[in-house]
Amino acid sequence: SQQGEEDPQALSIQEGENATMNCSYKTSINNLQWYRQNSGRGLVHLILIRSNEREKHSGRLRVTLDTSKKSSSLLITASRAADTASYFCASASQETSGSRLTFGEGTQLTVNP
Amino acid sequence: GAVVSQHPSWVICKSGTSVKIECRSLDFQATTMFWYRQFPKQSLMLMATSNEGSKATYEQGVEKDKFLINHASLTLSTLTVTSAHPEDSSFYICSVFYSGQGNSPLHFGNGTRLTVT
Repeated sequence: SQQGEEDPQALSIQEGENATMNCSYKTSINNLQWYRQNSGRGLVHLILIRSNEREKHSGRLRVTLDTSKKSSSLLITASRAADTASYFCASASQETSGSRLTFGEGTQLTVNP
Repeated sequence: GAVVSQHPSWVICKSGTSVKIECRSLDFQATTMFWYRQFPKQSLMLMATSNEGSKATYEQGVEKDKFLINHASLTLSTLTVTSAHPEDSSFYICSVFYSGQGNSPLHFGNGTRLTVT
C-alpha cells in the first residue's frame, strides 16, 4: 500500500484541550512532515522533522519521531476552533527521491468552541 | 513562503470531454512537480511526477494516456484529463518541490474539484 497509517481517523475535542495524532510509516526515511488541510483546499506545511531528530516544536505544535518504531506524533496544545482540519503525515523515503512523499491516511480533527 | 497557483479551482464538464488543470510556481523555478488525486475523506494518492523538459513518471495503475502531463517550463505543469468520465470526478492537487533545498517541504496548490456529469 502506498499509504502510511494514522490514528485516530477522527478526533473531536473541546477548545483549550490538547490533540494528539499518531502516524506510522513503512520505510527508512530522510524526514517526516506534517501537513494540514482545510476542507476542499490544498495542503499547508506545518512542520518537518529530520530522521536524526527526535522532537521538534513550532508554536503550539510539537512533533516527535521514533525511527526505531517507524512512528511519529503531532501534538497541538491549547486547541482552537480554527484548528479544525484534516492533518496528514508524509514520509520522505531514503530509497526514493526526498521530494516524493508517502502520505498517511489522515486524522480529521474537530475542535468544538 | 513559496506560492503555487492552481487553476481552475473547480470545473464541471460533460462525459467525454477533456479538462486541463494548470499548476504554476509563482516564486521559484521548479524542476519537479507532483500531481495527486484525493477522494472525499481520503488521503492523497500520488498520480505522477512531472519533470521539466522530460516525460512524466506515472505511478502504477495510473493511465498515462488518460492523464496527460506536460511540464514545458520551469514554472508551469499541466494535467489534462482526457475523455473524462464520472469516475474521474475527484479533487486534484499539485505540489512543487524546489530542488537544492535539501530537506524541504512541498508547496501545494489549492486543488481543483473536477465533476464529470
